[in-house]
Amino acid sequence: EVRLLESGGGLVQPGGSLRLSCAASGFTFNIYGMSWVRQAPGKGLEWISAISGSGDRTYYADSVKGRFTISRDNSKNTVFLQLNSLRAGDTAIYYCAKPGRPNGDYWYFDLWGRGTVVTVSS
Amino acid sequence: EIVLTQSPATLSLSPGERATLSCRASQSVNRYLVWYQQKPGQAPRLLIYDASNRATGIPARFSGSGSETDFTLTISSLDPEDFAVYYCQHRSSWPLTFGGGTKVEIK
Repeated sequence: EVRLLESGGGLVQPGGSLRLSCAASGFTFNIYGMSWVRQAPGKGLEWISAISGSGDRTYYADSVKGRFTISRDNSKNTVFLQLNSLRAGDTAIYYCAKPGRPNGDYWYFDLWGRGTVVTVSS
Repeated sequence: EIVLTQSPATLSLSPGERATLSCRASQSVNRYLVWYQQKPGQAPRLLIYDASNRATGIPARFSGSGSETDFTLTISSLDPEDFAVYYCQHRSSWPLTFGGGTKVEIK
């Protein structure tokens, strides 16, 4: 079964850190770029980061650049998102998403995880 | 950054009616425009990619059109399961961005 499963969310104080994980199964992970998209409570979707299949290229939204870091471990079919210097505005559901095609800039997402909730509050 | 503006914010229609949703880009995205559907408590679902290509398993009542800066998602005859929020997204350049969404609600 083709699946993405996020984990690592939780409650964290402002200024704190979290590391999100997304475990992939059912497809050849290392030929697909991967991405993270978040959704604040009651709000729309916000793309935040992406990484190439080999991990040599990374991309970020301005809202998270310098605070979040995306990485991957192809031996474990897992992509990570390190969240540092967290703010109340980072409170959201964080989704992991897979592009529709491998080996290229096909950054539309045909597979999504169920998401993991990050709450930043004192 | 390319800004995507969706209209209307809310569309109130009855089952069986035709729905027309708009997505306008602040600059050309060629045909690299994507549509998703999201229902409460669920992750988004891919409907249309590259302006007019239906994703696997998407019913033929969903169609997409447009190019450059103006795009349309049409649902030819609303099924009760189609009442949801719809988002557009471009993949033309970095950063990727999403539109603010259109909610299709039952009239």
